[in-house]
Amino acid sequence: QKEVEQNSGPLSVPEGAIASLNCTYSDRGSQSFFWYRQYSGKSPELIMSIYSNGDKEDGRFTAQLNKASQYVSLLIRDSQPSDSATYLCAARFYSGGSNYKLTFGKGTLLTVNP
Amino acid sequence: EPEVTQTPSHQVTQMGQEVILRCVPISNHLYFYWYRQILGQKVEFLVSFYNNEISEKSEIFDDQFSVERPDGSNFTLKIRSTKLEDSAMYFCASGPEGTDTQYFGPGTRLTVL
Repeated sequence: QKEVEQNSGPLSVPEGAIASLNCTYSDRGSQSFFWYRQYSGKSPELIMSIYSNGDKEDGRFTAQLNKASQYVSLLIRDSQPSDSATYLCAARFYSGGSNYKLTFGKGTLLTVNP
Repeated sequence: EPEVTQTPSHQVTQMGQEVILRCVPISNHLYFYWYRQILGQKVEFLVSFYNNEISEKSEIFDDQFSVERPDGSNFTLKIRSTKLEDSAMYFCASGPEGTDTQYFGPGTRLTVL
């Protein structure tokens, strides 16, 4: 069974701090990793994708991938109250052909306190 | 910016009734998906669709479920005989060819009474 695991939180940080969100996955054959943000009652919104070991930065967000440790993380710098949401980690496990289904973790609830 | 749209936003139905959930994917996307999220639980894959056929389906996607692309813009999910446990948010997603990036629609909340 291919799984994506996340600490459900809640993770609480003060405004302006760095929020660090973590995710592990079970299948070494996983190829692609995604971070989505989900506000309560809303749909997942894509923040970042990462495919290679190392860091990928986009504005205040940095995704980190370590395939040897099967570990993905998301850093949010200068956290804002509007960043308060559930952050979903998703992985694409290779299943042949052109299938791109995603497997999601349960998500980590982040609260940024003003 | 193009978006995936879904209708209705909320559907209430009686157990045993058929429902059709509708999606309009982003216009130049070729991969289409349905996911569902039961309240408080993970987003779960149901089915993927490419080149006018199902490319993969999960064990959740049993005979009561079907998908269709009836025209060049719509993508539908039909649940033939709804059960109480089908109550969930249903998300449509689409992605362009050559990437595995997926963009989600706003969802349809299905409530089965």
